[in-house]
Amino acid sequence: DAGVIQSPRHEVTEMGQEVTLRCKPISGHDYLFWYRQTMMRGLELLIYFNNNVPIDDSGMPEDRFSAKMPNASFSTLKIQPSEPRDSAVYFCASNRGGADNEQFFGPGTRLTVL
Amino acid sequence: AQSVSQHNHHVILSEAASLELGCNYSYGGTVNLFWYVQYPGQHLQLLLKYFSGDPLVKGIKGFEAEFIKSKFSFNLRKPSVQWSDTAEYFCAVRAGANNLFFGTGTRLTVIP
Repeated sequence: DAGVIQSPRHEVTEMGQEVTLRCKPISGHDYLFWYRQTMMRGLELLIYFNNNVPIDDSGMPEDRFSAKMPNASFSTLKIQPSEPRDSAVYFCASNRGGADNEQFFGPGTRLTVL
Repeated sequence: AQSVSQHNHHVILSEAASLELGCNYSYGGTVNLFWYVQYPGQHLQLLLKYFSGDPLVKGIKGFEAEFIKSKFSFNLRKPSVQWSDTAEYFCAVRAGANNLFFGTGTRLTVIP
């Protein structure tokens, strides 16, 4: 298995632009998570899905952030409009539901908003 | 609300020194506990996990962790660190729901 796949790996954009981050979870995993990692705040859970349905989006910082999971193999995290304080590494993770549900992380997308 | 505390923000050790990183959580019910490691420039990888059974858990690369229920702790240990252990270490707890709660991480620097 290729693991969790994220694209792009690096994104540099200007303030005000729309940014879309993409994630492909491991096949067969029915949970998908979006995290943000910064020096100041550490690793924060933004939102997670179960069977493509958002379960908890309380970590989404504000309305500029939105996430979708149109099918079991694809999710997007969109920031519109982006701001410099959104600069961070965004990780996607997935796991299979059940007792032994280790989360597997993707390589992350490093976002820089100028 | 659940929370995870990692007391040490940055630990600096010489090679062959022993390591212990603290992790405490706040949740009174059944928990699953994890330690993840993030090597420089890489994503998080599972180091070890505790679900049930023997509270002393052995993971990869010589790491182990002990679950002490009475102390709400899950400290990570390694008897002799190597330069390649330089990384950031995250404790995580799952309690009830499926999502994990992560600590703020401990950065370990091992000096050769």
